[in-house]
Amino acid sequence: EAGVAQSPRYKIIEKRQSVAFWCNPISGHATLYWYQQILGQGPKLLIQFQNNGVVDDSQLPKDRFSAERLKGVDSTLKIQPAKLEDSAVYLCASSSDRGRNGYTFGSGTRLTVV
Amino acid sequence: DQQVKQNSPSLSVQEGRISILNCDYTNSMFDYFLWYKKYPAEGPTFLISISSIKDKNEDGRFTVFLNKSAKHLSLHIVPSQPGDSAVYFCAAEGGGGSQGNLIFGKGTKLSVKP
Repeated sequence: EAGVAQSPRYKIIEKRQSVAFWCNPISGHATLYWYQQILGQGPKLLIQFQNNGVVDDSQLPKDRFSAERLKGVDSTLKIQPAKLEDSAVYLCASSSDRGRNGYTFGSGTRLTVV
Repeated sequence: DQQVKQNSPSLSVQEGRISILNCDYTNSMFDYFLWYKKYPAEGPTFLISISSIKDKNEDGRFTVFLNKSAKHLSLHIVPSQPGDSAVYFCAAEGGGGSQGNLIFGKGTKLSVKP
C-alpha cells in the first residue's frame, strides 16, 4: 500500500512569515496525527483528527498554528506567523485503529525558520 | 517534565551480539508501550509494542520486556545486524491523554559495527 505522503520535504522561511504543510494519509485510515520533532527530541503530538473531527489539540499553539482535515482525508498544518523556535521536522502519521498497532509516519517536512 | 526517558543517547554494539535499549517512564497510567525505529530523513517506523498486562512480547529478533513495578522497559535485538543501525524511540500511551496520543522519549542512536 502507498505510504503517508507529505510535502514539501524542506522549507526555509524567515521569522514572521507563514508556511503550510500538506499530508495525504494511507487510504482508509480514519485517524491522522501531526507531530513536531525538534532536533534532539522525540516527536510531540500537535493535533489528532478522527475522520474530519479534532480529537486532541491540547498541545497545539493555537495563537499561531492551525490545522484542518477537510472531507476526512488530506490535511494541512499552517503556521502564521512563524518563530525561530518552530524550526523542526513536522511529521504526519495515520492509523486505522487509534494507534495500538502502530502508526504509519510520513517522511516529514523539515522547517527552518531564519 | 519528561514522562518517557531514554537516558542513553547512543549505543554501539558488535554485529551478532545483543543490543539492549532501555526506557523509563514516570506516569503509572501508561498502559501501552511501543518502539519505533527511525533512519535519517525518514519518518519513524513501528517496530513492536506491549500492553501493560504483559511483561514480554517477542517478534523475530526483537523482544520487548516490561517491568511495571520499576516503570522500565527494554528492547532486545538478537542478533544485531548492521541494518539495525538507527535511532530507536520508546513511546507510551494512556497516561491520561487521548487514545493514540503517544508520548515519545528522546531516542537512542544504535550503531551496529560489522
